[in-house]
Amino acid sequence: GAGVSQSPRYKVAKRGQDVALRCDPISGHVSLFWYQQALGQGPEFLTYFQNEAQLDKSGLPSDRFFAERPEGSVSTLKIQRTQQEDSAVYLCASSGSVGGWQTQYFGPGTRLLVL
Amino acid sequence: AQSVTQLGSHVSVSEGALVLLRCNYSSSVPPYLFWYVQYPNQGLQLLLKYTSAATLVKGINGFEAEFKKSETSFHLTKPSAHMSDAAEYFCAVSRSGYGGSQGNLIFGKGTKLSVKP
Repeated sequence: GAGVSQSPRYKVAKRGQDVALRCDPISGHVSLFWYQQALGQGPEFLTYFQNEAQLDKSGLPSDRFFAERPEGSVSTLKIQRTQQEDSAVYLCASSGSVGGWQTQYFGPGTRLLVL
Repeated sequence: AQSVTQLGSHVSVSEGALVLLRCNYSSSVPPYLFWYVQYPNQGLQLLLKYTSAATLVKGINGFEAEFKKSETSFHLTKPSAHMSDAAEYFCAVSRSGYGGSQGNLIFGKGTKLSVKP
């Protein structure tokens, strides 16, 4: 079946511009995670959704970062007034039903470059 | 708090040689431990996971890892490297494998594996 997809795959933004990154999780997956991977680093947790509820946003680096998942499927990560330090690969992962063992399945990521 | 340290940002081996990628963890609770592989321009793929059922864990593509609590280690090994193993490998820890907000992964910085013909 289809895996996790993300769009766009690449995004170049001018400093100060707003961007929106989309994640399509595996159909039926309840949990959705966003991670940020800076160059040469491992991914770092940003936020977690269970269905449409954002239960953990402790990793969002500033109030310029906002994520939503209004219908419990597709999620969007929005970055307002982008800064150069926001340049990174943004990874989305989804996993199955809460309560059972979960494996996180990752999308290919969106590579964001802020000039 | 939990953390992961991967020793060696780059490891180079010859084809057919043993692969050993090192991972040490810190956790205040019994950890769930993972190894992921990332090929260029692709997402992370799960190689194997430790869930406390067995200390020696076998994964895909011939990889395995051994959980050693006394050493707080979870090193990844493969007896014989293939050219196709060249990729970046990430060790990760989480507080839970059963979902929820405690399921978020904490990754190491990664080890890039090169395989020489």
